[in-house]
Amino acid sequence: GAGVSQSPRYKVAKRGQDVALRCDPISGHVSLFWYQQALGQGPEFLTYFQNEAQLDKSGLPSDRFFAERPEGSVSTLKIQRTQQEDSAVYLCASSLLPSKDEQFFGPGTRLTVL
Amino acid sequence: EDQVTQSPEALRLQEGESSSLNCSYTVSGLRGLFWYRQDPGKGPEFLFTLYSAGEEKEKERLKATLTKKESFLHITAPKPEDSATYLCAASILTGGGNKLTFGTGTQLKVEL
Repeated sequence: GAGVSQSPRYKVAKRGQDVALRCDPISGHVSLFWYQQALGQGPEFLTYFQNEAQLDKSGLPSDRFFAERPEGSVSTLKIQRTQQEDSAVYLCASSLLPSKDEQFFGPGTRLTVL
Repeated sequence: EDQVTQSPEALRLQEGESSSLNCSYTVSGLRGLFWYRQDPGKGPEFLFTLYSAGEEKEKERLKATLTKKESFLHITAPKPEDSATYLCAASILTGGGNKLTFGTGTQLKVEL
């Protein structure tokens, strides 16, 4: 596809369930970012990958959050034992090279934890 | 602590009524200042990147400017289709990449 895609677009989970959110970046893009956007707020940085290497995970809010990009393309953000405060839109962005600043965002996955 | 602040939080304009949105930033190691547009239910859409004080960029009815402490997004003769949330973000170098620190956005509504 031409842009960044994310699936599912919407996810409802019961508190305590594990969820997995998928991101397909633009083909050939080296850098991949995950952001969390709460209602009425700007996106907040979670983690960054350069190819398959996770170079920065300083924004992950707890050890329940885990991200991977094993083959340097598709990435998965996993949240274990979801809590109500995890409810947010999770955005994925990619950029062509680390030196290229322009990040292209996907449509996001809206997670609601009941 | 790196911080990006946008004002106003919300702005209502009549069609054709020009105005400016403000973004002030306090960051260490700034690589660039970004403007994005976000429509409801969608991801942010890239508009501009500014790298140095005095730089200006234009796209249709939008013009972005940058000083050492703030950036402005000027909207000239807006149309209803310009209604959206406009996000400002500072790019900071991290482990070889550039993470974005966002403001909370300005929600713009342009009415006929």
